[in-house]
Amino acid sequence: EVQLVESGGGLVQPGRSLKLSCAASGFTFSNYYMAWVRQAPKKGLEWVATISTSGSRTYYPDSVKGRFTISRDNAKSSLYLQMNSLKSEDTATYYCARLSTEARALFDYWGQGVMVTVSS
Amino acid sequence: DVVLTQTPPTLSATIGQSVSISCRSSQSLLHSNGNTYLHWLLQRPGQSPQLLIYLVSRLESGVPNRFSGSGSGTDFTLKISGVEAEDLGVYYCVQGTHAPYTFGAGTKLELK
Repeated sequence: EVQLVESGGGLVQPGRSLKLSCAASGFTFSNYYMAWVRQAPKKGLEWVATISTSGSRTYYPDSVKGRFTISRDNAKSSLYLQMNSLKSEDTATYYCARLSTEARALFDYWGQGVMVTVSS
Repeated sequence: DVVLTQTPPTLSATIGQSVSISCRSSQSLLHSNGNTYLHWLLQRPGQSPQLLIYLVSRLESGVPNRFSGSGSGTDFTLKISGVEAEDLGVYYCVQGTHAPYTFGAGTKLELK
């Protein structure tokens, strides 16, 4: 059974940093692109970052480019999101998601999410 | 960025009723490779999103066949043929043809 378990969320002041982790199990982690998707309170979904199987390629939307860094450790089946220079608009539930090999933007498994609150 | 416009924002239905949700794109989602990267997700209350339909009309494994998807180019539709209580929640379309990936704002399906 595929499982994605996020951790590392919490309350952080604007301008500070936070690192999220996602522990994956139930599949060969190194064979899949992985992603982070966030959801602001009572809002819709927003793609945040994608990483290739080896970690050599990463992709971000303009809203987080230069502030967020996605990375992975295939030996540990773990995905990470380093978030720097946090803003109040980064407040959201952050989901770790697996990207299917069948199609682009095909998020086929999701974690339960971790809440990040950016506030002074 | 590609804007996906979902209508209606809210849908009230009775159990057994058939309903449709529209997802319209600001650009054609037909990729140069011939694929159309438009998928549908359901987020039940208090849960993470789950995949329902991918590549416009392909049913994800384990998803009941009362769900179906159709469309092409810029206009897409998710249909539920006979709503059941477990179908309540927010439906999202998502596109992967153009970077960055974008989601629709969601359609909330509730009981009438």
